[in-house]
Amino acid sequence: DIQMTQSPSSLSASVGDRVTLTCRASQDISTFLAWFQQKPGKPPKSLIYRASNLQSGVPSRFSGSGSGTDFTLTISSLQPEDFATYYCLQCNTYPLTFGGGTTVEI
Amino acid sequence: QLVESGGGLVQPGGSLRLSCAASGFAFNTYEMHWVRQAPGEGLEWVSFISNSGSTIYYADSVKGRFTISRDNARNSVYLQMNSLRAEDTAVYYCARQGGYYKSGVDNWGQGTLVTVSS
Repeated sequence: DIQMTQSPSSLSASVGDRVTLTCRASQDISTFLAWFQQKPGKPPKSLIYRASNLQSGVPSRFSGSGSGTDFTLTISSLQPEDFATYYCLQCNTYPLTFGGGTTVEI
Repeated sequence: QLVESGGGLVQPGGSLRLSCAASGFAFNTYEMHWVRQAPGEGLEWVSFISNSGSTIYYADSVKGRFTISRDNARNSVYLQMNSLRAEDTAVYYCARQGGYYKSGVDNWGQGTLVTVSS
């Protein structure tokens, strides 16, 4: 199975900060990676598919990049509603596998 | 919209059937997933079913115990869970596969809680 490693596991940031989250795959997954945001007690929200494509309705301050094994999710200017946990998901091979998550805290 | 139901408290070794009712899109053209989240833990992919039901995948942790199925006439997907264990305790989410090749999930239900305990 493909292992997905997210770093850091948590980070502290302030409103207006530029934040970069990292996700690494244990083998080449091309660009078949998705990113999700989850707030406590809520279902995940889909942000990005195929590494760099924004889902409909997602603010443009979110961006994704990467291919192969290394991927990043960047929030260009952190907003109060962005404090949450972010997960990556490799969609290249079954079983699909999630990263362990990165929690963005104030 | 995706609405899950069927969760609840069940004893170890017991069975439960989860349902997910879809609306607002052409259900029979979309592939579907089940994803779960244990209390305080991260997300775990559980199972996938193609739009026709002809292709199915499972996580190793549930293979042989869980069965995914769908009824396109009823716009529903199901997860039959047998031989339940304490470690199956989680919120179970129904999720829609995005419309692009290998694009992952694009829509999630609210989830239904399954608690396995004596």
